Amino acid sequence: DAGVTQSPTHLIKTRGQHVTLRCSPISGHKSVSWYQQVLGQGPQFIFQYYEKEERGRGNFPDRFSARQFPNYSSELNVNALLLGDSALYLCASSSTWAGEPLHFGNGTRLTVT
Amino acid sequence: QKEVEQDPGPLSVPEGAIVSLNCTYSNSAFQYFMWYRQYSRKGPELLMYTYSSGNKEDGRFTAQVDKSSKYISLFIRDSQPSDSATYLCAMSSNNAGNMLTFGGGTRLMVKP
Repeated sequence: DAGVTQSPTHLIKTRGQHVTLRCSPISGHKSVSWYQQVLGQGPQFIFQYYEKEERGRGNFPDRFSARQFPNYSSELNVNALLLGDSALYLCASSSTWAGEPLHFGNGTRLTVT
Repeated sequence: QKEVEQDPGPLSVPEGAIVSLNCTYSNSAFQYFMWYRQYSRKGPELLMYTYSSGNKEDGRFTAQVDKSSKYISLFIRDSQPSDSATYLCAMSSNNAGNMLTFGGGTRLMVKP
């Protein structure tokens, strides 16, 4: 079975631009979460979506937004990119809203210049 | 002070050694405890998942949770060079959905 898939794998953007990252969860999983991992640190929670509704939001500015589609795939959007947004963006899926383990994709590495 | 503390290492051990990795935390509401392994340029891979206190064993891996001390451990027996990676602890509370709080990770190097 395919795991969590993310696209693109790498991305280079300029300050002020907009970026869209995509995620397909494991088949049958209805919850998708997004995390940001800065080099040398642990991942930080950005959003959780379950059954197409936002169920959690981390301490990130409004420049970050996300949505989940009827097929449970998800997009993370970041507007007005800053140099500090350079990081590995990880998507994780699980079968339920809570109480089940999260399975991560290999991430999208975003570089902002 | 961070909610979850983890020694960044690097921790260097010879092949075949028993490895002990640890995390401490401050939030007594944490009930779910996880260990992930992350290779360079890859996403975290789930190794162990436990609820509340106690021990759990899976092959060469043993996870321990001591909620009274707010301390969790991962033991790796018969360590192999392929175990060389960064190990992340993560935890969440009952009402937090899939919002995990991670430690900063410990880099492990197993030398042949």
